[in-house]
Amino acid sequence: GAVVSQHPSRVICKSGTSVKIECRSLDFQATTMFWYRQFPKQSLMLMATSNEGSKATYEQGVEKDKFLINHASLTLSTLTVTSAHPEDSSFYICSARGDRGRSGNTIYFGEGSWLTVV
Amino acid sequence: QKEVEQNSGPLSVPEGAIASLNCTYSDRVSQSFFWYRQYSGKSPELIMSIYSNGDKEDGRFTAQLNKASQYVSLLIRDSQPSDSATYLCAVNHLFGNEKLTFGTGTRLTIIP
Repeated sequence: GAVVSQHPSRVICKSGTSVKIECRSLDFQATTMFWYRQFPKQSLMLMATSNEGSKATYEQGVEKDKFLINHASLTLSTLTVTSAHPEDSSFYICSARGDRGRSGNTIYFGEGSWLTVV
Repeated sequence: QKEVEQNSGPLSVPEGAIASLNCTYSDRVSQSFFWYRQYSGKSPELIMSIYSNGDKEDGRFTAQLNKASQYVSLLIRDSQPSDSATYLCAVNHLFGNEKLTFGTGTRLTIIP
């Protein structure tokens, strides 16, 4: 089946620094990618929707200047957490929707990235 | 009212029995429905998708959709300890921006 890969799987950074997380669709073109955040014992909360070649659409309450999203190609989207703080520590998960041919309308998730800000 | 509601559990089911997970949604224009399984510390894994009223079976899993009642369920037959996980119900609005809205998940424990 379709595969979505995230990197890094775990990252620890110092408070005030920036961290970039990559999301790649490995065997299909992802016209749309989604970024979620999940705190322990809570559900996935959508942060933003990114479309290849255009600006991301952020959910209410998500700071677009803090969570920079770039979807420069049909197989890669990146999330950069800028000026990270301990409260940004969370599990960040991307998902990708395939184009109509290969993967239909199914949305596939990456493996997730654990961010710890110390 | 939450858009997608699930009983958070925990739901405990003996090994070999049928586990029944339920989900209700509030938006009548919802078109696509998904069940994801999430092990602790891992990303969600797609189990089933269903788009039409009725039942859809895949191995030990059966998804049931009733759009009139705005209800979708997942049945797991012959439950195994490896089925112990959190099950997330997700709804997609095809005529919106196609994002998934998740329920809070039901934690299922299969008792050996």
